[in-house]
Order: sequence, then structure tokens, then C-alpha cells
Amino acid sequence: EAGVAQSPRYKIIEKRQSVAFWCNPISGHATLYWYQQILGQGPKLLIQFQNNGVVDDSQLPKDRFSAERLKGVDSTLKIQPAKLEDSAVYLCASSLSRATTANYGYTFGSGTRLTVV
Amino acid sequence: AQTVTQSQPEMSVQEAETVTLSCTYDTSENNYYLFWYKQPPSRQMILVIRQEAYKQQNATENRFSVNFQKAAKSFSLKISDSQLGDTAMYFCAFSPANTGKLIFGQGTTLQVKP
Repeated sequence: EAGVAQSPRYKIIEKRQSVAFWCNPISGHATLYWYQQILGQGPKLLIQFQNNGVVDDSQLPKDRFSAERLKGVDSTLKIQPAKLEDSAVYLCASSLSRATTANYGYTFGSGTRLTVV
Repeated sequence: AQTVTQSQPEMSVQEAETVTLSCTYDTSENNYYLFWYKQPPSRQMILVIRQEAYKQQNATENRFSVNFQKAAKSFSLKISDSQLGDTAMYFCAFSPANTGKLIFGQGTTLQVKP
């Protein structure tokens, strides 16, 4: 099966600009996650979708970050305006359901490395 | 708050030897799952091994095994017969049951030396 696809792989922007990341999960996976991984740290959950609904966005900085999964398939994460501290790798992951995470974990994409200068 | 702590930022091991990576976690949950993920330079996180909290038997996957001490909230990873391809960053992760959420530790960079 195809993996989780993410694009772009790298992005460099100036502070206060906007940026968007795209993720296409594994076909049939109902649950989609966006994680932020700052250099030298573990990934931190930003938002979790179940189909096209938000399950958990408690750690998403909503004043500048937004995400959508309109048709319950692919998803877009946006930052507007970007700050220097947003420099990180943004990882997308998917699973069949929240329950299957326990048995199989997630399938992760390769991430987008964002540098804000 | 649920937290995961990996106290070893970096470790190294000679090829073919055994290494143990440490992980402790803090939770008031009784039903949860624990994972070890590997992240090579390609950045893609790869599941290494998982453990259900309700199982006392330690999980094993080929050269990888865990030492799960529920009372101590400890979940260490042992890699036997280390190979050069094991060089990567390793993350311990905790998942409360039925949430789908993964809470990661800070990671341990493992270098396997020839």
C-alpha cells in the first residue's frame, strides 16, 4: 500500500509570511494527525481528525495555525503569519481509527521541514 | 499531565553488541499502550515495538525487546546484536487507550559504530 504522502519536503519563508503543508493519508484511514517536531525534541500533537471532524486541537496555536480535512481524505495545515519559533518538521500520520492506534501505531509521512528566517 | 522522559540524549554501541535505551512516563491512567519508534535521517517515524499496559509479558520483536515495569512506570528498549542500520533517533511514546493520541519523549540518538 502507498504510504502517507506529504509536500513540500522543505520550505523556507520569512517571518510574518504564510505557508501551507499538504498531507494525503493511506487510503481508508479515518484518523489523521498533524505533529510538530522542533529540532532535538519529540513530536507534539497539533491536531487530530476523525474523518473530516476535529477530535483534538487543544495544542494548536489557533491564532496563527489552522487545519482542515474537508472531504475526510487529504488535509492541509496552514500557518499565518509565521514566527521564528515555528521552524520545525511538520509530520502527518494516519491510522485506520483511534482504536487501531493501540495495535499498530500510526503510519507517518516523511514530514515537511519548515525554516522561518 | 501525562509526560514521557528519556534521560539519555545520546548513546553509542559497537556493532554486534547490546544496548538499552531508557524511558519513564507519568500517568494516572490504568489502560494505555507504550511504543518505541525509530526515526532515521529520512525523518519517517518507524514503529519498532509496542506493549499493552495490561500485559505483564514483555514484548519482543526479533532483536528488539522491552523491559516493562508498570509499577515503576518504566519502559526500556533493548537492542541485541546491534547493526549499523540501527543508527537513528529513538522515541518512546505513550498512548492513553482509545484516544489515538501519542505523547512522545525527547528522544535518544543512537549511533552504532563499526
